[in-house]
Order: sequence, then structure tokens, then C-alpha cells
Amino acid sequence: EVQLLESGGGLVQPGGSLRLSCAASGFTFSSYAMSWVRQAPGKGLEWVSAISSSGDSTYYADSVKGRFTISRDNSKNTLFLQMNSLRAEDTAVYYCAKDYSNYPANCDYWGQGTLVTVSS
Amino acid sequence: EIVLTQSPATLSLSPGERATLSCRASQSVSSYLAWYQQKFGQAPRLLIYDASNRATGIPARFSGSGSGTDFTLTISSLEPEDFALYYCQQRSNWPFTFGPGTKVDIK
Repeated sequence: EVQLLESGGGLVQPGGSLRLSCAASGFTFSSYAMSWVRQAPGKGLEWVSAISSSGDSTYYADSVKGRFTISRDNSKNTLFLQMNSLRAEDTAVYYCAKDYSNYPANCDYWGQGTLVTVSS
Repeated sequence: EIVLTQSPATLSLSPGERATLSCRASQSVSSYLAWYQQKFGQAPRLLIYDASNRATGIPARFSGSGSGTDFTLTISSLEPEDFALYYCQQRSNWPFTFGPGTKVDIK
């Protein structure tokens, strides 16, 4: 069974940093692209960042480019999102999602999400 | 950035009725369009990918069609568990984008 377990969310002040992690199990992690997708309270979905299966290609939404860094450790089946210079508009539930391909395409499995709140 | 528009915003139907949801792209996305279902407090679930392919485990009452800029998700006969939010998403160009969603609620 595919499982994705996010952690690292919480309350942070504007300008602060957080590192999200996503522990994956139930599939060959190194064979699939992974993504972070967020959802602000009461709002729609926004694709934040994606990474290829090998980690050699990364993708960012313009809203986070230069502030967020996606990475993965295929030896530990873990996906990361380093978030710096956080803003109030980054407040959202952040979902870790598995792609069905080795490059970003569509997400066939999702974690339950971790809430990031940016507020003073 | 490719903008996706979904219509209607809300669809009020009864169980057993047919639901037709539309998604329009600001430019051609070929067949690189997916549909997701999201229930309150839950993560999204992939229903359809590449316009017309059902994801693993998705019932046959869900079907997708279209190409280029106009796409449709059809639920042939609504079951009680189908009342939810539906999003379309394109993977033609990065950044991948989602539509604003269509809410299917009980009439």
C-alpha cells in the first residue's frame, strides 16, 4: 500500500523558515517523480514544486521560486521542501504527492497534508 | 501560464442523475489534462489523466473527453459518494495549473 506521511508543518513568523518532509513507503520511491501541492484555507489547489525521480530536474511555481527548494533522498525514501522567507500568503496545507511517471505529470497518490501557518 | 476555467462553479443534482463538468484552457494543452476529486478535509484523488484515461480503481461511471482547449468530465449516474469538488489540471506546460473547481452538490 502506498503511504505518504508529511511532517514539519507548524506556525512560523513572516520571514522565517520551515523544512517539510515526506516519508514514502509501499512503492519504489526512486522510480517516480514527486511533488508538493498546496491549498490555502478555503481555496483551490496550487502546484508548488516538483522533482524528477533521479532528482536531476526540479520545477517551481513563480510564487515560490528563489525561496523554496525541493529535494529528495532516494536512499531514505524521503522528499523535502525547504521553505525560506515565508510570507503570509504561503499559509496552506501542503500535500506531498507521488507521480505516476519518472518526470512530473499527474499525481496518483497523495499524503494527508501538513498545515503551514505564517503569522506574527 | 496556462489558465484553466471550469464551469459551472456549482452543479446541483440528485443521485442517479448525469453530471457534466467542463474545463477550458487558455491555450491548447493537447490531451494533457487530468481530473481530480476532493472531498471536504481530504486530499485530492486522481480520477482521469491524459483527458480520457481512468486512474487505477476509478469506477467506470467516470469518463473524460476532449482535447486542445475544451474538456469534459462526465459522471454517468451520480452515487452519494460522488458529491464533492472536482478540479481539472494541465501538465502541458510548467507551471502545471489547476482550475478553480466545480462543486457537485445534492439538489
